[in-house]
Amino acid sequence: GQNIDQPTEMTATEGAIVQINCTYQTSGFNGLFWYQQHAGEAPTFLSYNVLDGLEEKGRFSSFLSRSKGYSYLLLKELQMKDSASYLCAVRDSNYQLIWGAGTKLIIKP
Amino acid sequence: DTEVTQTPKHLVMGMTNKKSLKCEQHMGHRAMYWYKQKAKKPPELMFVYSYEKLSINESVPSRFSPECPNSSLLNLHLHALQPEDSALYLCASSQETSSSGANVLTFGAGSRLTVL
Repeated sequence: GQNIDQPTEMTATEGAIVQINCTYQTSGFNGLFWYQQHAGEAPTFLSYNVLDGLEEKGRFSSFLSRSKGYSYLLLKELQMKDSASYLCAVRDSNYQLIWGAGTKLIIKP
Repeated sequence: DTEVTQTPKHLVMGMTNKKSLKCEQHMGHRAMYWYKQKAKKPPELMFVYSYEKLSINESVPSRFSPECPNSSLLNLHLHALQPEDSALYLCASSQETSSSGANVLTFGAGSRLTVL
């Protein structure tokens, strides 16, 4: 079966750095996505990785290792507005998105 | 225009009502999607339209009926729903359904449905 695992909840302090991990087992691989979703709102796209390595975009970075079936999202200089759920999703060999359950990130002052 | 617009934002309906959710995008995307999302759960794919034709139906009950009148519009017709159908219904679009590029999904703000 297809499976994506990410922690249910994480807590971090404003101004700090947090790393949210995602491991996956899917039928094929055609890219990995990270989305941010604030409570009651739509998911918004953060990053896309299809090759191994680190993609940096401002305060957010995403890393991929295809051989390990592993990705992480790194958030730096945390702000209160970063409190949200972070969804990892993998596009499989049929170009279907398989979603993780999401990680709820709580930022404390 | 880089938005997906959904209406209504909130909908309350009885189990005997007929209502529709609407979605519109003007990004020239040729793929449009309906997702259902329950609280604290990831989005669940319901339907996919590619070039205005239904390409995926994820075994969704017939009380949900999608319609794609043209490349910019996507509707979801609702009839005889159950209370367990209460959820956030998300519309999304992307350039295509299968692509070697990122083909990022752009989501609308969602329609929150409550079935009494």
